[in-house]
Amino acid sequence: QKEVEQNSGPLSVPEGAIASLNCTYSDRGSQSFFWYRQYSGKSPELIMFIYSNGDKEDGRFTAQLNKASQYVSLLIRDSQPSDSATYLCAVYRGNQFYFGTGTSLTVIP
Amino acid sequence: DTGVSQDPRHKITKRGQNVTFRCDPISEHNRLYWYRQTLGQGPEFLTYFQNEAQLEKSRLLSDRFSAERPKGSFSTLEIQRTEQGDSAMYLCASTLSGTALIYNEQFFGPGTRLTVL
Repeated sequence: QKEVEQNSGPLSVPEGAIASLNCTYSDRGSQSFFWYRQYSGKSPELIMFIYSNGDKEDGRFTAQLNKASQYVSLLIRDSQPSDSATYLCAVYRGNQFYFGTGTSLTVIP
Repeated sequence: DTGVSQDPRHKITKRGQNVTFRCDPISEHNRLYWYRQTLGQGPEFLTYFQNEAQLEKSRLLSDRFSAERPKGSFSTLEIQRTEQGDSAMYLCASTLSGTALIYNEQFFGPGTRLTVL
């Protein structure tokens, strides 16, 4: 079983809509959870992290964590064409970061 | 610029040659990670340093790969006798780690894209 699983997509949403990205993790010992955005040919850019159950909001982004279900999500409100990228979910456990394969998001103007 | 930097950004080499990459982390960060990323995959852990000590190395890492972090500052990753399968983006990331910190924000450098012909 993979440490972190994401739906690879592609996910397409119209401009202005809410994009919902999901991630599950296998180890209950995972301590903190991260969302990165990666444009094609570029390195990952940290968007948000969360480590407590519930929601965390930062501008148009909301991260949600449910440790009982081992589930992390990222909501992007008012999606913009510039949000088109691959979104990587990562978990931190045992001094290591484990990454999913990413979900490709396309925002259609 | 106070972010993570990597050099070179691109490297093209012939099979069998040795290559070395450099990473300069964010200055106050005590932990440095190396990853490899291929198309369609997430970053794959290679190794990490806490200050100058290399604490963990992936079992996937062959003995052709070696990394150092002298004096706990910049780090180098060397690949000896490169193979075509080594072609990938090599990413460096740094974080501030401590017992009081449970979230360990990790920041990536721009990466070094290696092409082995």
